[in-house]
Amino acid sequence: AQKVTQAQTEISVVEKEDVTLDCVYETRDTTYYLFWYKQPPSGELVFLIRRNSFDEQNEISGRYSWNFQKSTSSFNFTITASQVVDSAVYFCALASPNTGNQFYFGTGTSLTVIP
Amino acid sequence: GAGVSQSPSNKVTEKGKDVELRCDPISGHTALYWYRQSLGQGLEFLIYFQGNSAPDKSGLPSDRFSAERTGGSVSTLTIQRTQQEDSAVYLCASSLSLAGGRYEQYFGPGTRLTVT
Repeated sequence: AQKVTQAQTEISVVEKEDVTLDCVYETRDTTYYLFWYKQPPSGELVFLIRRNSFDEQNEISGRYSWNFQKSTSSFNFTITASQVVDSAVYFCALASPNTGNQFYFGTGTSLTVIP
Repeated sequence: GAGVSQSPSNKVTEKGKDVELRCDPISGHTALYWYRQSLGQGLEFLIYFQGNSAPDKSGLPSDRFSAERTGGSVSTLTIQRTQQEDSAVYLCASSLSLAGGRYEQYFGPGTRLTVT
């Protein structure tokens, strides 16, 4: 069974603080893909990143970084020096060739950055 | 290029009426998904299409829900005899192909459906 758990329902940080959003996944597949999406208050989900299961290299994009650890089945997302514009709901998702092409989304983490 | 578009952006309907929601995927994207997102909730998968293949309807909550995709492009989600529990934001997404998740999905702005 495929499952994505985002245990943090809501997080509040003060602007310029760093924040890490946790994502834990479950799958028996050896080939799979992990994703992060951002849903700002405007409502439209924005794709942030995709990783495949064979690439455990961490990735950094500006203030965003992702830590993929197969040993703990986690794909955590860190925002450095948070800004008010980072306030949004963030979703982690999992897909694999054996999931019938469905994406399995976590329940999301609502991040509020306080100025 | 143009992203995924959906219409209408908002729809208010009376209980028992039928509604049609439209999705225009990104040009060249063969895979199209429909999701439902209730207030403050995650995404609930409804259905996906891949090219001309039979759709995966496993997520449709009841037989009041149906969807079609004409010409491998535009898709319409139809809800018959709407109920108040159908009130939600309906999201459409497209990707280059299904390919087991190899390609990311791009989402439209959604249609907010309110059933009174």
